[in-house]
Amino acid sequence: AQKVTQAQTEISVVEKEDVTLDCVYETRDTTYYLFWYKQPPSGELVFLIRRNSFDEQNEISGRYSWNFQKSTSSFNFTITASQVVDSAVYFCALSEALGAGNMLTFGGGTRLMVKP
Amino acid sequence: NAGVTQTPKFQVLKTGQSMTLQCAQDMNHEYMSWYRQDPGMGLRLIHYSVGAGITDQGEVPNGYNVSRSTTEDFPLRLLSAAPSQTSVYFCASSYLPTGGNSPLHFGNGTRLTVT
Repeated sequence: AQKVTQAQTEISVVEKEDVTLDCVYETRDTTYYLFWYKQPPSGELVFLIRRNSFDEQNEISGRYSWNFQKSTSSFNFTITASQVVDSAVYFCALSEALGAGNMLTFGGGTRLMVKP
Repeated sequence: NAGVTQTPKFQVLKTGQSMTLQCAQDMNHEYMSWYRQDPGMGLRLIHYSVGAGITDQGEVPNGYNVSRSTTEDFPLRLLSAAPSQTSVYFCASSYLPTGGNSPLHFGNGTRLTVT
């Protein structure tokens, strides 16, 4: 069965600090997809990124970057120069290629608090 | 550009009452699903549908029913609400039904409290 673990339940940083959110996953499939979603205080879920298991290139989007390492089954998310608007709950999720109809397995989430 | 629309946003029920959470999408997505979000547990899949007339159970289906008579709508029914169903419910849709190769688009959620 697939599983996603986000060991950090809550992180607090001061604005402009860099912060890394950890995500470790388990799956038996060789083809799978990894996701990050952001849930701001308003409650909606915002899609951030999707990676497939065959693409281990790191990705950077502005202040956001993602480090995918199959060897350690990790898909970590780094925010550079954090801002107060980054305060949110962040979810890592996994979908298996042959899983039940696009089912996402979510981690428990990491609450990030960025203080001014 | 409505996307995925959920109604109501908030609901309070008494134990034993029934209700339907509505979900509609205007993106012509084949795949629709319902998740519940509980503190510290992320989101868990309740039911999903890969197209009109086809539904299946997810990880936590007990106490919930669904149907998919049209591509656009995917209502979630609670036949006899229980306090354990107090949660935030999210509806999600995607263009492709399989494999996670198509990101899920989420609605804004329904916060349900059962007393």
